[in-house]
Amino acid sequence: NAGVTQTPKFQVLKTGQSMTLQCAQDMNHEYMSWYRQDPGMGLRLIHYSVGAGITDQGEVPNGYNVSRSTTEDFPLRLLSAAPSQTSVYFCASSYDFTSYNEQFFGPGTRLTVL
Amino acid sequence: GNSVTQMEGPVTLSEEAFLTINCTYTATGYPSLFWYVQYPGEGLQLLLKATKADDKGSNKGFEATYRKETTSFHLEKGSVQVSDSAVYFCALRTINSGGSNYKLTFGKGTLLTVNP
Repeated sequence: NAGVTQTPKFQVLKTGQSMTLQCAQDMNHEYMSWYRQDPGMGLRLIHYSVGAGITDQGEVPNGYNVSRSTTEDFPLRLLSAAPSQTSVYFCASSYDFTSYNEQFFGPGTRLTVL
Repeated sequence: GNSVTQMEGPVTLSEEAFLTINCTYTATGYPSLFWYVQYPGEGLQLLLKATKADDKGSNKGFEATYRKETTSFHLEKGSVQVSDSAVYFCALRTINSGGSNYKLTFGKGTLLTVNP
C-alpha cells in the first residue's frame, strides 16, 4: 500500500492563479480531509468528506473547493490564490468517521503564493 | 466547541532526560485522544491514542493516560533520544449527537529538540 499520497510536494503560485492539490489513498478509506498547517496555529481543517459524493466545510473553507467523485481521490482546488494561502497542506484519511480511528496523513504540499 | 491546549515550546532536553509535554482539552461529548508526531519534512504519524477514561496509550517508550477528571492527556517518556526530536501534537476527536462532526482538533504543537 502506498497509503496517502499528495502531489505536488512544492508549488509556487502568483496571486490570482488557480491550481489543484492532488490527494489519493489506496486503503479504501471512507473519510478524507484537508488541513493546512501554519506556524503557531497547529493544523486547521479546510474541508472533509465522509464518502464519495459527500463533502462538507471545516474551520477555514474560504478560497478552497473540493469534490469527491471516487473513494480514492480528494483534490483541493484553490480558485484564486492569495498570499494568505501560503501554507503546508496535508491530506488525511481514515477507515470511517468513528472517533477512535486514527487518521493517516500524506507527506504534505508546501505552497507559496507570491 | 472543542479545543486542545498544549504546552508552549520549544522544549530542549539532553539525551536520556525525562520528557513531559502537557495537554489539556475541552470537548462536547466523549472524545478520543491522540498524540501525533511530525518529524522534520514529513507528515504527521499517530504516536499513541486512548479512547476512554483511564486508558493508557503507549508506543516507542512514550505513554499518555486519559484523565477525564482533569481533562488531560500528558505525554511522557522516561529517557529521550536524539531521534525523538520532532514536533508533537495533541489532538481529540468527537462525534456530536447529530453525527456530523468528525474532525480532529489539534493543539498548536510542541517542538522537542534532544541534544546528544
